[in-house]
Amino acid sequence: GAGVSQSPSNKVTEKGKDVELRCDPISGHTALYWYRQSLGQGLEFLIYFQGNSAPDKSGLPSDRFSAERTGGSVSTLTIQRTQQEDSAVYLCASSSPGQGNSPLHFGNGTRLTVT
Amino acid sequence: EDQVTQSPEALRLQEGESSSLNCSYTVSGLRGLFWYRQDPGKGPEFLFTLYSAGEEKEKERLKATLTKKESFLHITAPKPEDSATYLCAVRGIMDSSYKLIFGSGTRLLVRP
Repeated sequence: GAGVSQSPSNKVTEKGKDVELRCDPISGHTALYWYRQSLGQGLEFLIYFQGNSAPDKSGLPSDRFSAERTGGSVSTLTIQRTQQEDSAVYLCASSSPGQGNSPLHFGNGTRLTVT
Repeated sequence: EDQVTQSPEALRLQEGESSSLNCSYTVSGLRGLFWYRQDPGKGPEFLFTLYSAGEEKEKERLKATLTKKESFLHITAPKPEDSATYLCAVRGIMDSSYKLIFGSGTRLLVRP
């Protein structure tokens, strides 16, 4: 079946511009995560959505970052007034909490480069 | 605070040369420890979940083991196609128990 789909796969933007990253999770997965992976670093948690519950935004690094999930499916991560330190790979993952301690299934990420 | 440390950062092996990757963790109650494989330009690919000390899981040339403080990923007679970054992650039992906390990974290169 289809996995987690992310678009665009690559994004180059100028400092100060806004960007939107999209994630389409696995069908039926109610939990959706955004992580950030900087060069040579581990994955950094950004935000978590579960069904209709309030999202956990505790990992968002600044108020320039926001995310929404519409209709319990597709999610967009928006970065306003991008800075060079925002350059990283942004990974989306989904899981099915109804199956207990389930793993996360990741997309291939969006590589963001801020020039 | 939950933490995961992986070692070594990088490992070079000859084809057929078995070795182990280490994942040390501190967590206030372990719900699960996860191993992932990540190829360049791709997202992490799920390999195993381990739940309790003494548990072992195997898949082809890979075997994951778990103690109360660390996990090992044993690679037996590796092949060049096993070259990848291997990530370890934990999920704790505290409030944010849905999160996975990741280590920085071990970059494995298997030379023919």
